[in-house]
Amino acid sequence: GIQVEQSPPDLILQEGANSTLRCNFSDSVNNLQWFHQNPWGQLINLFYIPSGTKQNGRLSATTVATERYSLLYISSSQTTDSGVYFCAVGKSGGSNYKLTFGKGTLLTVNP
Amino acid sequence: KAGVTQTPRYLIKTRGQQVTLSCSPISGHRSVSWYQQTPGQGLQFLFEYFSETQRNKGNFPGRFSGRQFSNSRSEMNVSTLELGDSALYLCASSLWGSYGYTFGSGTRLTVV
Repeated sequence: GIQVEQSPPDLILQEGANSTLRCNFSDSVNNLQWFHQNPWGQLINLFYIPSGTKQNGRLSATTVATERYSLLYISSSQTTDSGVYFCAVGKSGGSNYKLTFGKGTLLTVNP
Repeated sequence: KAGVTQTPRYLIKTRGQQVTLSCSPISGHRSVSWYQQTPGQGLQFLFEYFSETQRNKGNFPGRFSGRQFSNSRSEMNVSTLELGDSALYLCASSLWGSYGYTFGSGTRLTVV
């Protein structure tokens, strides 16, 4: 199956700093999503981005499908950005209707 | 529109019992999939249903089963509970199961 690696595993920032989270995947995909897991466990969808670049406020994401990686940028971080960020990928067709998750990046933003 | 609804939110069961978890997808979504999250194994795929048919199944023992009803609501069942089944169980819905998954708040199961 597809392998997904996220880096770094842990990241500690001061409020106001910028950060880049990376997701590498081992096969071509037609679905890539970034999620933020809130303290209650819910996975909040940040971006659906199988290719290209998207921006939403202080967050943006870029996926280079041909090189099999995606980046999540967080600018001017806030304490509320703390939590675990997951990258998940998927393919369609056959037995592929599922998401494969990376192990996540635990982000801590200190005031 | 309403999101993905999972019930119950919390559950405590005893080893050997069975449990049923419920998931109501976003209206119009026909694909429902289930994931187990544990500190040791991370997020793992359990199974996916589309129009009442299981299309894909993860690498879990037969004690884990599921079904989907004609209104797209889904249930998963775990029989003969083991301590290792303690986890957060997350349900996701999608239009076709190929992209754009939305997750529910999860059911936190504790087996004692």
